Amino acid sequence: DTAVSQTPKYLVTQMGNDKSIKCEQNLGHDTMYWYKQDSKKFLKIMFSYNNKELIINETVPNRFSPKSPDKAHLNLHINSLELGDSAVYFCASSQGAGTVPMNTEAFFGQGTRLTVV
Amino acid sequence: GENVEQHPSTLSVQEGDSAVIKCTYSDSASNYFPWYKQELGKRPQLIIDIRSNVGEKKDQRIAVTLNKTAKHFSLHITETQPEDSAVYFCAAIPTDSWGKFQFGAGTQVVVTP
Repeated sequence: DTAVSQTPKYLVTQMGNDKSIKCEQNLGHDTMYWYKQDSKKFLKIMFSYNNKELIINETVPNRFSPKSPDKAHLNLHINSLELGDSAVYFCASSQGAGTVPMNTEAFFGQGTRLTVV
Repeated sequence: GENVEQHPSTLSVQEGDSAVIKCTYSDSASNYFPWYKQELGKRPQLIIDIRSNVGEKKDQRIAVTLNKTAKHFSLHITETQPEDSAVYFCAAIPTDSWGKFQFGAGTQVVVTP
């Protein structure tokens, strides 16, 4: 069984459209993340959630809105897509313990390659 | 947030030689130092990690060393093989960071036969 799964794997869309990427983890982890990987391979953290609560929100345009319906899911919605949003987006999760952060291995999804044309 | 610098950005080695990637960090509260490997078109995966209470950790051909005083840590790959070709990322995680895995810029390792 896939530990962290995200859909779709590929997404091609036109500028100005709104799209969503879904992520689910079956590891029982408390913390989930979204990362953006650009063409230079840099992995930049966008958001971090712990038990459905937003913990980290890096300087990401407010066109990006994460939503966590429960601690096993963290979806990413993007409004008014721009050319510069083209990248690979990775979801990840790691273990937490309620309000106590636990720095352990992060498990990544397979990535969603978003292409804005 | 934690600032992690990673060098070199690219590394080309002959098969069988050793590869070393170095990272430096700024936050003295960092206590967890993972290394991730990302093969072409794949997801990043943990290959080795070290915590601040040890200075070195080894797993077969890979090892990580940590110098807390100098705030740097390194990944060592011995007897490199073509399957070691990938992008490698380091991270330095402070105790209270809520697992904010902000990675270094990555090192593209190419192992040539």
